[in-house]
Amino acid sequence: DQQVKQNSPSLSVQEGRISILNCDYTNSMFDYFLWYKKYPAEGPTFLISISSIKDKNEDGRFTVFLNKSAKHLSLHIVPSQPGDSAVYFCAAIIQGAQKLVFGQGTRLTINP
Amino acid sequence: DVKVTQSSRYLVKRTGEKVFLECVQDMDHENMFWYRQDPGLGLRLIYFSYDVKMKEKGDIPEGYSVSREKKERFSLILESASTNQTSMYLCASSFWDGGTLHFGNGTRLTVT
Repeated sequence: DQQVKQNSPSLSVQEGRISILNCDYTNSMFDYFLWYKKYPAEGPTFLISISSIKDKNEDGRFTVFLNKSAKHLSLHIVPSQPGDSAVYFCAAIIQGAQKLVFGQGTRLTINP
Repeated sequence: DVKVTQSSRYLVKRTGEKVFLECVQDMDHENMFWYRQDPGLGLRLIYFSYDVKMKEKGDIPEGYSVSREKKERFSLILESASTNQTSMYLCASSFWDGGTLHFGNGTRLTVT
């Protein structure tokens, strides 16, 4: 049972444009959400997070939006840069619990 | 900066061999995790530990065991390696309340 789903395995965006990565979840108990970025041959690194009491969190070029009623979150990258090419994982957790639940990942490619 | 170190970047083992993957973290984190990453399946939790000598099964524990004799060290053991255990293995750690995980760079294991 996939509780966190990233339905797009890959996304290709032109440099300078907006990249939008999407994530859906099924467990309404999740109250904290994170995005991780992974380059080949490296471990995932934390990118940005959002608590369920918010609907938006911004950090530089990265913004995460949360729509609780739709159980949907998205990551916006503006403007997209070649160094953003990586696999992005969405993750969710019930705060106080120990383990994150990850989505399948979306491979983002930024074209020059 | 948190450092999670996995002892091997690449391993090649034969079917039936016993395999040990080692992970050490230097941030005094209570929680440690083992994930495997496979294309299209994302990051799947094998086992985690929230304290020395404590362990909990994740989503795919079959064929694996773990050992945590010291707080900073978490070992993943493949009792009898099989070809379907060929994968990228990622170790991670976090503080007791979950949330942000810090990952190692991964061990790519090939079982022939």
